[in-house]
Amino acid sequence: AQSVTQLDSQVPVFEEAPVELRCNYSSSVSVYLFWYVQYPNQGLQLLLKYLSGSTLVKGINGFEAEFNKSQTSFHLRKPSVHISDTAEYFCAVRVKGGYNKLIFGAGTRLAVHP
Amino acid sequence: GAGVSQTPSNKVTEKGKYVELRCDPISGHTALYWYRQSLGQGPEFLIYFQGTGAADDSGLPNDRFFAVRPEGSVSTLKIQRTERGDSAVYLCASSLGGRTSGSYEQYFGPGTRLTVT
Repeated sequence: AQSVTQLDSQVPVFEEAPVELRCNYSSSVSVYLFWYVQYPNQGLQLLLKYLSGSTLVKGINGFEAEFNKSQTSFHLRKPSVHISDTAEYFCAVRVKGGYNKLIFGAGTRLAVHP
Repeated sequence: GAGVSQTPSNKVTEKGKYVELRCDPISGHTALYWYRQSLGQGPEFLIYFQGTGAADDSGLPNDRFFAVRPEGSVSTLKIQRTERGDSAVYLCASSLGGRTSGSYEQYFGPGTRLTVT
């Protein structure tokens, strides 16, 4: 079975500061990795995904994430956040070669303050 | 183009009643998924359709939950004898395909907030 742990339930940060949202996963088989963002009263939107190749993945809105196989981590980073980045962020995995169902972490609420 | 739509956006029902939640996927998407998101949690997989058939229903919590997709497009999630613990946001997602490729991005709808009183 697979599981995803998001180590911080809430991350407060000031505008223009850097941020890292942490994600660790557990799986006995190879997985694909995803980060989704959920703005208030909106559906989930894909930020970025790691399928294969370069372990540093760039996504929308200036976010990037790095896959670390030895540490089974996929941390999300942004060098300078904006007020508009305030949202809930979810890390998710999907088994390679399996059905496309996603297994999500509990989420991290990013609160950007002026 | 139009995204995934879900109706109703909010549903309040009494314990023991029957409810139906509807999902309209993106046109041409053969794969459809239902997830449930409880307060303070990440989405939890319920069921996956490839075309008209349920390819994986391992996430349905019990036999009070049932979902259909009779024509391979619109899907309905049905909950019988609702309980207060069923209160959650029910999310629907669709994608071009379902198996073998990680590149089939799932597009999520805004969800239906179900409250059982």
